[in-house]
Amino acid sequence: DAGVIQSPRHEVTEMGQEVTLRCKPISGHNSLFWYRQTMMRGLELLIYFNNNVPIDDSGMPEDRFSAKMPNASFSTLKIQPSEPRDSAVYFCASSFRASNEQFFGPGTRLTVL
Amino acid sequence: LAKTTQPISMDSYEGQEVNITCSHNNIATNDYITWYQQFPSQGPRFIIQGYKTKVTNEVASLFIPADRKSSTLSLPRVSLSDTAVYYCLVGDNPNRDDKIIFGKGTRLHILP
Repeated sequence: DAGVIQSPRHEVTEMGQEVTLRCKPISGHNSLFWYRQTMMRGLELLIYFNNNVPIDDSGMPEDRFSAKMPNASFSTLKIQPSEPRDSAVYFCASSFRASNEQFFGPGTRLTVL
Repeated sequence: LAKTTQPISMDSYEGQEVNITCSHNNIATNDYITWYQQFPSQGPRFIIQGYKTKVTNEVASLFIPADRKSSTLSLPRVSLSDTAVYYCLVGDNPNRDDKIIFGKGTRLHILP
C-alpha cells in the first residue's frame, strides 16, 4: 500500500479564496482523521470519521471549515473563505479503528496570504 | 479522556539512553498508552503501545508501573536522527471506536 495520500502537498492562496485539501486513506482502514498543526497550538484534531460518518467535529474551528467523506477511499477538508490564521500544516491520518495505530499522510502545507 | 503531562523539551547526547516520562494520573482501566514520534516536516509515526509492565520493540521500550499513572519511553543509545517530538497518548481499548488525543509532546534534541 502507498500509505495515506494527501494532495496538494503545498498550497498558497489569498485571503478569501476557497481551499480544498484531499486525502486518500489506507485501503481497509475505517477511521479517518484530519489534524492541523502550528507552532503555537501544536497538533490539533479537527474531525474524525468512522465508516465514512463524522463522529466528532468538535475540533473544527468555525463554520468556514467543513469536511466530507463520500466514500471509504476519499475525504476532503474545505476552508471557505480562507484567512491568514488558517496557515498551517494539515495532516490526514487513517487507522483500522479510531484508537488503533494511526498512519499519517505527508501533510499539506497551507499558506494564506 | 485521560490527560497526559510530559516535559516540553529535553536534550541529550549521542550514544546515551534517553528516558521520557509521561504522567497520566486519571488513566482509565481500559486505556492503553501509545507513543508517537514526529520528525520535522513529517506526520507523526507510531513507536510503541502498551497496557502494563514492559513492552519492547526494535525502536524503544515502554515501562509502565503497576499503578499505570505514568509511563516511560526509553530510547537506547540515541543518535542525531532521534531528534524529534515525542507524543504520549492515552486512549481506550484499541478494539473500541474512541479517539485518542495528541498533546504538546516532548521536543527531544540530540547533541553530538
